[in-house]
Amino acid sequence: NAGVMQNPRHLVRRRGQEARLRCSPMKGHSHVYWYRQLPEEGLKFMVYLQKENIIDESGMPKERFSAEFPKEGPSILRIQQVVRGDSAAYFCASSPRTEAYEQYFGPGTRLTVT
Amino acid sequence: QKEVEQNSGPLSVPEGAIASLNCTYSDRGSQSFFWYRQYSGKSPELIMSIYSNGDKEDGRFTAQLNKASQYVSLLIRDSQPSDSATYLCAVNEAGGYNKLIFGAGTRLAVHP
Repeated sequence: NAGVMQNPRHLVRRRGQEARLRCSPMKGHSHVYWYRQLPEEGLKFMVYLQKENIIDESGMPKERFSAEFPKEGPSILRIQQVVRGDSAAYFCASSPRTEAYEQYFGPGTRLTVT
Repeated sequence: QKEVEQNSGPLSVPEGAIASLNCTYSDRGSQSFFWYRQYSGKSPELIMSIYSNGDKEDGRFTAQLNKASQYVSLLIRDSQPSDSATYLCAVNEAGGYNKLIFGAGTRLAVHP
């Protein structure tokens, strides 16, 4: 299966801990997007990355959140010192190129902060 | 604030009927429009993309775009219970590096 892969699928963290979410794009795709879906809310854009570059992080909270997409390995979304309000589904999507092309979503990581 | 508006529903249709889902958007510069289907607890699945005015058909699905009215719709013919899901309209933000703005979704229920 050459789809977008995300792990872990479920993640439980206590308040104050760190959460690391991983995303491997579809084969042949070099553009990665992260979205967040809060309970009973719509999908919200967080960040767009290409290999070794953050292209658009206009949707990322200014503190505690960071993202990277290294030359080797998956993209990582990192949330430091998690709070209950971070509990959500985090989806990664990928596309083969930019300029308004289709984005394909991974299965998501459900983060629960206790 | 650029927005995508959808009726939250639920939209209830009988099996075999046509389901019509609508979406309006505020960003006049948007060029790309997508419909995603999301089953409860699952990830969004791309079902249609449309880039120019008019209709685009794919199997039982037809997407319609009217840029002058800033309006996108999705028709599902011969609706099946398995079509019951939330349908998300997504629009690219003009100048936004392919950032997608999503509507809150319309919940569709197809009853036998």
